[in-house]
Amino acid sequence: QKEVEQNSGPLSVPEGAIASLNCTYSDRGSQSFFWYRQYSGKSPELIMFIYSNGDKEDGRFTAQLNKASQYVSLLIRDSQPSDSATYLCAVRGYNKLIFGAGTRLAVHP
Amino acid sequence: DAGVIQSPRHEVTEMGQEVTLRCKPISGHDYLFWYRQTMMRGLELLIYFNNNVPIDDSGMPEDRFSAKMPNASFSTLKIQPSEPRDSAVYFCASSLGLAGGDEQFFGPGTRLTVL
Repeated sequence: QKEVEQNSGPLSVPEGAIASLNCTYSDRGSQSFFWYRQYSGKSPELIMFIYSNGDKEDGRFTAQLNKASQYVSLLIRDSQPSDSATYLCAVRGYNKLIFGAGTRLAVHP
Repeated sequence: DAGVIQSPRHEVTEMGQEVTLRCKPISGHDYLFWYRQTMMRGLELLIYFNNNVPIDDSGMPEDRFSAKMPNASFSTLKIQPSEPRDSAVYFCASSLGLAGGDEQFFGPGTRLTVL
């Protein structure tokens, strides 16, 4: 079992819809969880992080964490074509970030 | 701040040659990370430094890979001899710390092709 698992996609959503990206992790001791966005040919950039159970909102983005289920998600409201990218889930364990393989999101007009 | 700087941006070399990748972290960041990204394996941590000292190199694939950080503003990742399977994008990242929300800022990456 991979330490951090994501559906590779592509996840295709129409413009204006809600995109839901999911991530599961194997280490119950993990404390911090990150979502990075990576445009094709570019480097990853942090969208947001979460370390408490529940929801954390930042603009159109909401991260959700459920430690009991070892599950992290990212919701993107009012999806725009500019949101089309690969979204990487990362989990901090033993001072290292472990990245999932990423989910490719395609927002079509 | 200019962000994390990497050079070269692209490198094409032949199998058996030595390759050196360079990184300048963001000033004031105490941590520096080297990652490798491939389609097959995703983004993998190779090694990270704290205050110029290597802390964890468990991700370095084999002895052909070595990394140094002679001072707070410069690090190198060397592959000698290079092999076609080393072809990947290599990212350098830096952060202030390792606390919960300390963000890792990534450089633009070096795309390495070994023929």
